[in-house]
Amino acid sequence: QTVVTQEPSLTVSPGGTVTLTCASSTGAVTSGYYPNWFQQKPGQAPRALIYSTSNRHSWTPARFSGSLLGDKAALTLSGAQPEDEAEYYCLLYYGDAQLVFGGGTKLTVL
Amino acid sequence: QVQLVQSGAEVKKPGASVKVSCKASGYTFTSYYMHWVRQAPGQGLEWMGIINPRGGSTTYAQKFQGRVTMTSDTSTTTVYMELSSLRSEDTAVYYCARGGTLTYWYFDLWGRGTLVTVSS
Repeated sequence: QTVVTQEPSLTVSPGGTVTLTCASSTGAVTSGYYPNWFQQKPGQAPRALIYSTSNRHSWTPARFSGSLLGDKAALTLSGAQPEDEAEYYCLLYYGDAQLVFGGGTKLTVL
Repeated sequence: QVQLVQSGAEVKKPGASVKVSCKASGYTFTSYYMHWVRQAPGQGLEWMGIINPRGGSTTYAQKFQGRVTMTSDTSTTTVYMELSSLRSEDTAVYYCARGGTLTYWYFDLWGRGTLVTVSS
């Protein structure tokens, strides 16, 4: 059973910077896992933010960036806004069209 | 504009089946895969599987194999997700999400979700 692990919760000050990470139970996360990142606010559907490690969708604010950090995938938010308070999920690709979500990180902007 | 419109909420008894639809518009239906993802109340996201609307080939998460069937209808640009042998743990919001053109790992637009409640 493959497990993808994220920080359960993080807090960032308005205007501050925070990094969320995404680890795999199988070992180091590489670009071949094509990490995706999603934002979900209460009562709403998820919204795609980042695909294939570091590519933003056309609607993704530039303050969000994706990368690989050590042996994990990472989502960095620079200049946090109150509206960025949400749950964030990563998703990793394990080949043979198998995909696994992380458990999510609740981000508080306070 | 690109839209994914899902069917309405369902209430089902344990052991029954449910079929959720996702109607796509605003793009070439057969050019993009479609994912299904579910979210139990207060829980995280869970990937269920993917369908290629062109031809109907599917890949399911191991957890759902044998219980889920994803199909597509190109005449109505609609994909369907049917889950059988329902149990209370299947109570969740079920989402469709557009995938890539030739890639399994890509997601962009999501439907609003369909709440399926399993209760006796």
